[in-house]
Amino acid sequence: SQQGEEDPQALSIQEGENATMNCSYKTSINNLQWYRQNSGRGLVHLILIRSNEREKHSGRLRVTLDTSKKSSSLLITASRAADTASYFCATDEEYGNKLVFGAGTILRVKS
Amino acid sequence: GAGVSQSPSNKVTEKGKDVELRCDPISGHTALYWYRQSLGQGLEFLIYFQGNSAPDKSGLPSDRFSAERTGGSVSTLTIQRTQQEDSAVYLCASSAGRPYTFGSGTRLTVV
Repeated sequence: SQQGEEDPQALSIQEGENATMNCSYKTSINNLQWYRQNSGRGLVHLILIRSNEREKHSGRLRVTLDTSKKSSSLLITASRAADTASYFCATDEEYGNKLVFGAGTILRVKS
Repeated sequence: GAGVSQSPSNKVTEKGKDVELRCDPISGHTALYWYRQSLGQGLEFLIYFQGNSAPDKSGLPSDRFSAERTGGSVSTLTIQRTQQEDSAVYLCASSAGRPYTFGSGTRLTVV
C-alpha cells in the first residue's frame, strides 16, 4: 500500500525557478526520505529527514517535515534542466521494516 | 561491486512463461528489497530480506511470485506463468540501514 501521497502529480517550470513538491502520509514515522528517478529506472537517494527534525538542507535542496500535519515538502531552488526527473517521498514507518513510497511528482524544467 | 546490479536489464517474455530476475546487492548490505513499478506509478513493495531472518513476503501479489536470497547475498525473483499485468519495472534495493541503494531495474514486458 502507498502511504505517501504527493502533489502535484506533475510540475513544469522554467530554468532558474524554484520547484516545490509536497508529500502527505498517514502513520507515525521514524524518518522521511526523498528519492529521484530518471527515465523510469533506478532511484537515487536525495535527502533524509528524521522525525525529530523540522528542516534540512543539502545544496539546492530544502526539505521540511511537519509531523503534526503528517506532511513534508521538497524545495529545489534555482532549478536546472538536469533536475528534470520524477521525485518520490518514502516513509520509514515507526513499526515497519521497509520504506513505503508515494506515487511521485514528475518535474520538468524547461531551458 | 560498487552498486546494486540487476540482470537482465530488459526481458520480453511470452504470456505463460516463467522468468527469473536477479539482484546482486552491495557487499555487506544485510537488507535486500524488491519493489515493482508499473508504468507511471509509484513503487509497490514486494518482499524484504534481512540477514538470516524469515523474509517479509507481505507484498507479493500472488503465489506466482516467489523470491529467494542465497548465502545472504544474491537474490532471485521468480514469476511463474507470467501474465500481461506483470509487465513493469522490477527494482531491487539493498541497505545497511537507511537510505536504500537501488539497482537500475529490470524492465519486464509480457507479450
